[in-house]
Amino acid sequence: EPEVTQTPSHQVTQMGQEVILRCVPISNHLYFYWYRQILGQKVEFLVSFYNNEISEKSEIFDDQFSVERPDGSNFTLKIRSTKLEDSAMYFCASGERQQETQYFGPGTRLLVL
Amino acid sequence: ILNVEQSPQSLHVQEGDSTNFTCSFPSSNFYALHWYRWETAKSPEALFVMTLNGDEKKKGRISATLNTKEGYSYLYIKGSQPEDSATYLCAFHNAGNMLTFGGGTRLMVKP
Repeated sequence: EPEVTQTPSHQVTQMGQEVILRCVPISNHLYFYWYRQILGQKVEFLVSFYNNEISEKSEIFDDQFSVERPDGSNFTLKIRSTKLEDSAMYFCASGERQQETQYFGPGTRLLVL
Repeated sequence: ILNVEQSPQSLHVQEGDSTNFTCSFPSSNFYALHWYRWETAKSPEALFVMTLNGDEKKKGRISATLNTKEGYSYLYIKGSQPEDSATYLCAFHNAGNMLTFGGGTRLMVKP
């Protein structure tokens, strides 16, 4: 069964460093998403992406964050200068059609020291 | 700010017990309600997408109902098994693309 994959599973970085989190969505899906869950809190929406552009973003997704689909299969989330409060589990999701099921990857646990 | 709440936060049941938990969500600007099952270190697994008031969906021993007028959904598990142990998340879907999640119900089924 097709699934969303994410790499790395864990990443530790120093405050101020750039990180890139990678996702391979399900191959025929057209809608892509990033969510995050800070430990002990709810899963929060970050951004949705369709047709090579951001379609919606939350207040969390400020100009320290960017997304890209560089090669037609990968979907990346970049954090330019990480802060301690960026420590969280980051989930990628993809969907075939807008407003239908979003299929989630297993997440990347990011720890900023 | 959309408020999606789930109760209880955690639940311990014996194998064979039936159980249910609740998701409450805003009754305005409703498009869909999603249920996910999430085991630690795995991807959240989509269980149901519910869109119509009065909808009832079933997958094996798990079923869900939806009341959009009063803003709640129930998830039922009949005859719980240890492999049902997981966190069950609901997510509210309005007219946009984003899902707004509840805090989850952590279910532990003791053999």
